[in-house]
Amino acid sequence: EDKVVQSPLSLVVHEGDTVTLNCSYEVTNFRSLLWYKQEKKAPTFLFMLTSSGIEKKSGRLSSILDKKELFSILNITATQTGDSAVYLCGLFGNEKLTFGTGTRLTIIP
Amino acid sequence: NAGVTQTPKFQVLKTGQSMTLQCAQDMNHEYMSWYRQDPGMGLRLIHYSVGAGITDQGEVPNGYNVSRSTTEDFPLRLLSAAPSQTSVYFCASRKAGNTEAFFGQGTRLTVV
Repeated sequence: EDKVVQSPLSLVVHEGDTVTLNCSYEVTNFRSLLWYKQEKKAPTFLFMLTSSGIEKKSGRLSSILDKKELFSILNITATQTGDSAVYLCGLFGNEKLTFGTGTRLTIIP
Repeated sequence: NAGVTQTPKFQVLKTGQSMTLQCAQDMNHEYMSWYRQDPGMGLRLIHYSVGAGITDQGEVPNGYNVSRSTTEDFPLRLLSAAPSQTSVYFCASRKAGNTEAFFGQGTRLTVV
């Protein structure tokens, strides 16, 4: 069965800090790994990763995938209060999109 | 652009009642899925569909039925609601292939 494990479950940092969120996975037929940000309502898409070692970047957020070690990280630099959210890691494999429990990130002004 | 539309946004049911959560998408996406989200549990897959007429079970299918008679619609039926089904339900859709999933705004269901 496909499995996604995110760590830490929650994280509290001060504005301006850099954070790293982790996602490890197990899947028999890997297609892609996706990161989403969830604030009050529906998750919103951040990145899709399919190849190892290629960094995806959007502003202060970046992510990379290691298909040999079966993990991905999401980095956020110079955090802002608007980055406070739950970050979800999703694994697309075997025609299903399976999510981890998420990391709740809180940024203190 | 409507995207993925879920109705209703909120619902309160009594134990044993049945109801259908509606999900519609106008993007001609082949894949549609239903998730439930409970505190500390992330998104758990209930049922999914890879196309009209095809559905399959996810991680937590018990107590829920689905059907996919058209590409656009993917309703989720609760046959006999239980308090354990109190949750926020999200519908998602995506195009076939390696593509992102788009989510509806969610339905908050309370079973008393």
